[in-house]
Amino acid sequence: GQSLEQPSEVTAVEGAIVQINCTYQTSGFYGLSWYQQHDGGAPTFLSYNGLDGLEETGRFSSFLSRSDSYGYLLLQELQMKDSASYFCAGDNYGQNFVFGPGTRLSVLP
Amino acid sequence: DGGITQSPKYLFRKEGQNVTLSCEQNLNHDAMYWYRQDPGQGLRLIYYSQIVNDFQKGDIAEGYSVSREKKESFPLTVTSAQKNPTAFYLCASSHGTNTGELFFGEGSRLTVL
Repeated sequence: GQSLEQPSEVTAVEGAIVQINCTYQTSGFYGLSWYQQHDGGAPTFLSYNGLDGLEETGRFSSFLSRSDSYGYLLLQELQMKDSASYFCAGDNYGQNFVFGPGTRLSVLP
Repeated sequence: DGGITQSPKYLFRKEGQNVTLSCEQNLNHDAMYWYRQDPGQGLRLIYYSQIVNDFQKGDIAEGYSVSREKKESFPLTVTSAQKNPTAFYLCASSHGTNTGELFFGEGSRLTVL
């Protein structure tokens, strides 16, 4: 089946910029979404790339290249509250969403 | 306020018992989904439904059942056939997939004793 890969952990300091990569092994994804999940909570939607290129939403940006089966989430001006897990999710032929394993981001003071 | 409501938030069950998790949405969304999340893991798709009276199996449907008799409701039953049911269960809904956005409930944490 379809699968996505993400780094398991990333660490950065407050105020820095961090990039979380997502690669996938299928041609069936119509687009790529990103979600944030704090411990014990539900995922919340951050961004969606339905087309190749960069999408910017405040401090968060997301990029998709379908020819490279690759996307990333960029977080700028990191804050302590950004410490959470981040998931990429592929739009599976318009039927459902397949999630990656998640990247745990730790923001240090 | 519109949203998705899951209940119960916490549930304990003995082995061999079936349990039903409730999911209700008032967002007027056509599509609804059930995901399972184990500690430190990603979300795995159990079942999804794109329209009333129709649903499809996801990657890990064995030991689970669903129904979609109303647009607002998509209950999940964890049967005794599910070998390792202890997990965090998340219900979500969307207008479809073209916005890329899933709206999640707060989740139901099931523990089998």
